[in-house]
Amino acid sequence: EAGVAQSPRYKIIEKRQSVAFWCNPISGHATLYWYQQILGQGPKLLIQFQNNGVVDDSQLPKDRFSAERLKGVDSTLKIQPAKLEDSAVYLCASSPQGSTDTQYFGPGTRLTVL
Amino acid sequence: QKEVEQDPGPLSVPEGAIVSLNCTYSNSAFQYFMWYRQYSRKGPELLMYTYSSGNKEDGRFTAQVDKSSKYISLFIRDSQPSDSATYLCAMKEYGGSQGNLIFGKGTKLSVKP
Repeated sequence: EAGVAQSPRYKIIEKRQSVAFWCNPISGHATLYWYQQILGQGPKLLIQFQNNGVVDDSQLPKDRFSAERLKGVDSTLKIQPAKLEDSAVYLCASSPQGSTDTQYFGPGTRLTVL
Repeated sequence: QKEVEQDPGPLSVPEGAIVSLNCTYSNSAFQYFMWYRQYSRKGPELLMYTYSSGNKEDGRFTAQVDKSSKYISLFIRDSQPSDSATYLCAMKEYGGSQGNLIFGKGTKLSVKP
């Protein structure tokens, strides 16, 4: 079974630029999550999708972050404009229908904002 | 006060040692508890999952939950260099499709040959 795929693995941008990350979850997994992991911290949930609907985006900074999951499969997370404090690893995870207890994480995208 | 507190370490032990990793939490509504292992430049992977007080064993790993003290632990017996990683505790209020995971900061473990 293929795992969660993410791209790019690394990205360096200047502040105020925009950036997008892509995630392909495990086949058949209905729930998809985006987490932000700042160096030395645990992951923090940004947004949770159930199929292509948003379940929880309470911690997503909506003035600059946006996410979509068209067709209930792949997802993209966008930051526009980026700030220095957005430097972090952005992790995508997925879980089967009806269970958020077992989440499978991708390798993450390491973003550096200069 | 953060909801989940975890000593970030780093923790360095010799091969074969017993390792004890701990988290405390303040939200008494947490019912489901997990331990994730995260190797450098990789995503976290689920190691242990439990939803009741007491012990759960899986090979060299034992997860312990004490809800009355709001305290969870992960024990690693006969530690190996391959156990060197960051260990994250995580917890949530509800089972199934509800609720999101709240993670600790992680403890970085190094097992020396």
